[in-house]
Amino acid sequence: AQSVTQPDIHITVSEGASLELRCNYSYGATPYLFWYVQSPGQGLQLLLKYFSGDTLVQGIKGFEAEFKRSQSSFNLRKPSVHWSDAAEYFCAVGGTGTASKLTFGTGTRLQVTL
Amino acid sequence: DTGVSQDPRHKITKRGQNVTFRCDPISEHNRLYWYRQTLGQGPEFLTYFQNEAQLEKSRLLSDRFSAERPKGSFSTLEIQRTEQGDSAMYLCASSSTFAGRGEQFFGPGTRLTVL
Repeated sequence: AQSVTQPDIHITVSEGASLELRCNYSYGATPYLFWYVQSPGQGLQLLLKYFSGDTLVQGIKGFEAEFKRSQSSFNLRKPSVHWSDAAEYFCAVGGTGTASKLTFGTGTRLQVTL
Repeated sequence: DTGVSQDPRHKITKRGQNVTFRCDPISEHNRLYWYRQTLGQGPEFLTYFQNEAQLEKSRLLSDRFSAERPKGSFSTLEIQRTEQGDSAMYLCASSSTFAGRGEQFFGPGTRLTVL
């Protein structure tokens, strides 16, 4: 069965500081990996995705993530955080073809201090 | 492209009542998904459709839940005899098997409160 672990429930960073959010997954085949962001009371916005190829993927809002197969990880990074980045971040794993349902982690809440 | 829309955005109901939610996917997206998100958790898969066919249902989807997508466009999710444990955010997503790699795009959700 597929699963996602986000070990950090809550992270606080100062505006302008760098950010790394951790994500570990379990999946029996080649995974499709995603990061979504959710603002309070809102739906999910897709930040970036990994399907294959280059293991460093770029997303919107200056975010990037690196796929490391040997560590079963897909960590999200941003070199300089803005106050507007405060939100909940979810990592998700899905499959190909008919196995496309997403399995999400429990999320990491990011707080940004000024 | 107007995105995925859901209606209503909020629903308050009394225990035992029936509720129905609607989801309008991105036009020409042939796949539609329903997820449920409770407080402090990530979304959990409930069911999905390809065109009008319901291809998979989670064990989370009890007999009180039913979903339809009659013409392969919008979908409805009905909960009968609601219970307080049904209180959650219900999220709809859509994707295309013809464009991209099937990325799922989410609507704003319907927040259900069962009193």
